[in-house]
Amino acid sequence: DQQVKQNSPSLSVQEGRISILNCDYTNSMFDYFLWYKKYPAEGPTFLISISSIKDKNEDGRFTVFLNKSAKHLSLHIVPSQPGDSAVYFCAARLNRDDKIIFGKGTRLHILP
Amino acid sequence: DAGVIQSPRHEVTEMGQEVTLRCKPISGHNSLFWYRQTMMRGLELLIYFNNNVPIDDSGMPEDRFSAKMPNASFSTLKIQPSEPRDSAVYFCASSLRGQGGGNSPLHFGNGTRLTVT
Repeated sequence: DQQVKQNSPSLSVQEGRISILNCDYTNSMFDYFLWYKKYPAEGPTFLISISSIKDKNEDGRFTVFLNKSAKHLSLHIVPSQPGDSAVYFCAARLNRDDKIIFGKGTRLHILP
Repeated sequence: DAGVIQSPRHEVTEMGQEVTLRCKPISGHNSLFWYRQTMMRGLELLIYFNNNVPIDDSGMPEDRFSAKMPNASFSTLKIQPSEPRDSAVYFCASSLRGQGGGNSPLHFGNGTRLTVT
């Protein structure tokens, strides 16, 4: 029973274009959402987050959008760079018990 | 500034053997999480601790799995006996839980790749 779903296992984007990674969730008790980036043989590293009371958060090339009514969030990377090739995990936190639940990840390939 | 340290990086063992994975969280962090990554299930939360106390172990798959946190700077995840389906990458992560509730983002170690033959 996946509470955080990333339905695209992989995505290929041309360098310089916009990468859009999507995530859906089912639990309305999530209060905080995060994106992590993972390179091979390394642990995931925190990228950007958004509180459930906001609908957008921006940090440099990275922007996260939250649509609470649709229970959907997305990560936009613009412009995409070769170093952005990695696996991206969407995660959500249940505030009452600090659980952070991850999706299965989306592998992003930035094409030259 | 040392991050989360996990050992060993790789572990290969035979079915039925006991396996112990180790984790040293970031100094000052008071929450510790164990995750398992597989192709089929992605990153699964197994158990997490707050101030060395297990808070939620509902993700631990079976009684063969156990985790301890004897002090703020050390945790272990033990599998006894191990089975081939336990093969996965196991990650430890730590964070700082604020007084007002809520955690700082998780900081992950580089994981232990476990292979059970």
